[in-house]
Amino acid sequence: RKEVEQDPGPFNVPEGATVAFNCTYSNSASQSFFWYRQDCRKEPKLLMSVYSSGNEDGRFTAQLNRASQYISLLIRDSKLSDSATYLCVVKFPKIIFGSGTRLSIRP
Amino acid sequence: IAGITQAPTSQILAAGRRMTLRCTQDMRHNAMYWYRQDLGLGLRLIHYSNTAGTTGKGEVPDGYSVSRANTDDFPLTLASAVPSQTSVYFCASSDGNTIYFGEGSWLTVV
Repeated sequence: RKEVEQDPGPFNVPEGATVAFNCTYSNSASQSFFWYRQDCRKEPKLLMSVYSSGNEDGRFTAQLNRASQYISLLIRDSKLSDSATYLCVVKFPKIIFGSGTRLSIRP
Repeated sequence: IAGITQAPTSQILAAGRRMTLRCTQDMRHNAMYWYRQDLGLGLRLIHYSNTAGTTGKGEVPDGYSVSRANTDDFPLTLASAVPSQTSVYFCASSDGNTIYFGEGSWLTVV
């Protein structure tokens, strides 16, 4: 079993839709969690950290479920510019990247 | 603030040649990393350094070496390049919590 697993997608949704991704992790001692965004042929960039109580940043909401060992990312009112690959990152303290979920927003 | 600078941005290299990818950060982060990213395989850690003077092997270290003579620089060397090392290479650093990436070096070995 991979240490961090993501559905590779692609998710193809219309503009304005709400879309959610999950990411599961295998190490229950994992300490920190993040979502990164990577555009085509660009470097990954931090989108948001994931806190135990859940957190929101504009249209983006991240949640952590320690009991089931997954984190989630919800994007509301999706924009064309949200098209990218979203990587989940787990730290325990080794840093492990998921393979990414591709999201494509269509007009 | 430049952040992390990688060079070259892209390179075509003949198999068997030696190549060094350069990485410099100006954030004074202790931890630095080299990843390669291939389609369908995600980011894979090659080598890392937790602080100047120390290095460690990651998931795919074979064929690569690194050095960390000071805090700012973390070069990656391919001693004798092979076609399977064709990839995009990302250098990264961390403040202990967040990882920051350079813009990548696209390497093609022919």
